[in-house]
Amino acid sequence: DAGITQSPRHKVTETGTPVTLRCHQTENHRYMYWYRQDPGHGLRLIHYSYGVKDTDKGEVSDGYSVSRSKTEDFLLTLESATSSQTSVYFCAIRPGLAESTGELFFGEGSRLTVL
Amino acid sequence: AQSVTQLGSHVSVSEGALVLLRCNYSSSVPPYLFWYVQYPNQGLQLLLKYTSAATLVKGINGFEAEFKKSETSFHLTKPSAHMSDAAEYFCAVSESGYSTLTFGKGTMLLVSP
Repeated sequence: DAGITQSPRHKVTETGTPVTLRCHQTENHRYMYWYRQDPGHGLRLIHYSYGVKDTDKGEVSDGYSVSRSKTEDFLLTLESATSSQTSVYFCAIRPGLAESTGELFFGEGSRLTVL
Repeated sequence: AQSVTQLGSHVSVSEGALVLLRCNYSSSVPPYLFWYVQYPNQGLQLLLKYTSAATLVKGINGFEAEFKKSETSFHLTKPSAHMSDAAEYFCAVSESGYSTLTFGKGTMLLVSP
């Protein structure tokens, strides 16, 4: 158990509304990531963070923003949700011991449906 | 840029048969390679990793993978499939221990009695 909690686990929203997904970790890991999973696309990196207030874009960052004001929380925001953002969103962390070997540990996912 | 290709979106085997899931990678530097498994409605779980040590890597649940630089491959195998192995499997590559992971599109393993 990597101590990752994602909330909400399920959300249905309407096009044009803002949505925020939260990733909470309990072990003060430096690196945190947001991926989205879609059939036929695998997992694609949206944004990641390497410390408080330090974030960077991934390959599919358009339409998403992130914030990390505390070590334990990494928030993903869809400013104006679109149907193309219907997906399962996974948060991941890179434990301190894994910083040199690269593996990530994942949360249980947040399923977002945009109508 | 790094990339991963998983051959076959679905692989079907009978219980007790050999499991072979294929992964080829592209990387400009010696890669770090990973296999993850995802059971329905769950997150991804690390099966095994290659980080430039032994080329044959053993993981959990009886799985293993062999790094072949000449073939740029990191195929996942298990000698005898079990019904509980039915899941989706993802190969991933990183260019260092500090780089982001790039995932393949996944292979769904179906196991029949």
